[in-house]
Amino acid sequence: DQQVKQNSPSLSVQEGRISILNCDYTNSMFDYFLWYKKYPAEGPTFLISISSIKDKNEDGRFTVFLNKSAKHLSLHIVPSQPGDSAVYFCAASGERDDKIIFGKGTRLHILP
Amino acid sequence: KAGVTQTPRYLIKTRGQQVTLSCSPISGHRSVSWYQQTPGQGLQFLFEYFSETQRNKGNFPGRFSGRQFSNSRSEMNVSTLELGDSALYLCASRTEGAVNTEAFFGQGTRLTVV
Repeated sequence: DQQVKQNSPSLSVQEGRISILNCDYTNSMFDYFLWYKKYPAEGPTFLISISSIKDKNEDGRFTVFLNKSAKHLSLHIVPSQPGDSAVYFCAASGERDDKIIFGKGTRLHILP
Repeated sequence: KAGVTQTPRYLIKTRGQQVTLSCSPISGHRSVSWYQQTPGQGLQFLFEYFSETQRNKGNFPGRFSGRQFSNSRSEMNVSTLELGDSALYLCASRTEGAVNTEAFFGQGTRLTVV
């Protein structure tokens, strides 16, 4: 049973435009959400996180939105740059069961 | 501050053998988690150790085991290797307390079972 779902395996976006990556979760006990970026042959790198007490968190070009009622979060990258081409993983954890659970990832291609 | 270090980076083993992977967390981090990454399956949680105790466990068979030492270094062992165990194994460490904090990953160990 997959608790964190990224339903788009891949996404292509023009350089300079907005990239929107989506993520859904099923476990209502999750209260902390994270996004990671991964290049081939490297470990994932932490991008941004959001606590369930917030609905938005921004860090430079990256903004994460959380909709608790829909159990949905999204990562916005504005403007998209060539170096953003990577696999993006959505992840979640809950205070009572603190392991971080990851989705299957979305491969983002930034087109020139 | 040094990051998470995993050794070895690459490993080739034959079916039936066993393998041990090593992870040194960021200095001061007491939580170490292990993940398996295979194509199309994302990062699947194996287990987490905190202060030498296994705190969480994923849905993997008993052939997968781990331990953590007093200096927070962790090892993961896979016995009786199967072809399907070929994967990138990632280790991540988190800060003391480790609730609602991000995890920092090593570069991983690429295991190939032939």
